[in-house]
Amino acid sequence: DAGVIQSPRHEVTEMGQEVTLRCKPISGHDYLFWYRQTMMRGLELLIYFNNNVPIDDSGMPEDRFSAKMPNASFSTLKIQPSEPRDSAVYFCASSERGNDHEQYFGPGTRLTVT
Amino acid sequence: AQKVTQAQTEISVVEKEDVTLDCVYETRDTTYYLFWYKQPPSGELVFLIRRNSFDEQNEISGRYSWNFQKSTSSFNFTITASQVVDSAVYFCALSVPPPRGGGNKLTFGTGTQLKVEL
Repeated sequence: DAGVIQSPRHEVTEMGQEVTLRCKPISGHDYLFWYRQTMMRGLELLIYFNNNVPIDDSGMPEDRFSAKMPNASFSTLKIQPSEPRDSAVYFCASSERGNDHEQYFGPGTRLTVT
Repeated sequence: AQKVTQAQTEISVVEKEDVTLDCVYETRDTTYYLFWYKQPPSGELVFLIRRNSFDEQNEISGRYSWNFQKSTSSFNFTITASQVVDSAVYFCALSVPPPRGGGNKLTFGTGTQLKVEL
C-alpha cells in the first residue's frame, strides 16, 4: 500500500512568492496533520484535520499560512507571501483514528525561500 | 501542558555495542500514549512503537526493546548490538486525548542523534 505522498519533494522560491505544498494521506485514514521541522524549533504541529475538517490550527505561525482539505485524499498547505524564515522541511502525516493511533509521515517537502 | 525531554543530544557508539536512548515525559493526564520515531539521514520519519499509559509491559522487537516506567515517567529505548544502519535521529513523542475527545496531537522531544561507527 502506498504511504503518505507529498509533493514537491524540494521547493526553492524567492521571498514574496506563493508556495503550495501538497499531500495525499493513506487511504482510509481519518486524520491528517501538517508539521514543520527546523533546527531551531524541532518538529512543530501546524494544523490537523479530522474527516476533512480543520480541528486545531493553533500552530499555524501567522496569516500567511493556510491549509485546506477539500476531500479525504488531498490537502494543501499554502504560504503567501513566503519569507526566508519559512525555510524548513514540511511533513504531512495521517492517522487511522484518534490519539491512540500512530501517525504515518510522508517524505517531507524541503522548502528554501531565498 | 505536555512535555517530552530527550536529554541526550548525540550519542556515538561502535558497532555491536548496546545503546539506550532516554525519554522522560510530563503530563497531568492519566491516559496518554507514547511513541518512538526514527529519522534516518534520508529524512523521513518512521514509526517504531506505540505504548499506552495502561500498559507498562516492556516490549522487544528484534534488536529493539522499550522500557516503560510510569514511576519515573520514562520510556527508554534500547538497541542491542547496534549496526551502522541504526544511525539516525530518534524522537520520543507523547499524545493525550483532547478535552472533547478525538485528535492526536503529538508533542515531540528534541531528538537524539545516534551515530554508529565501524
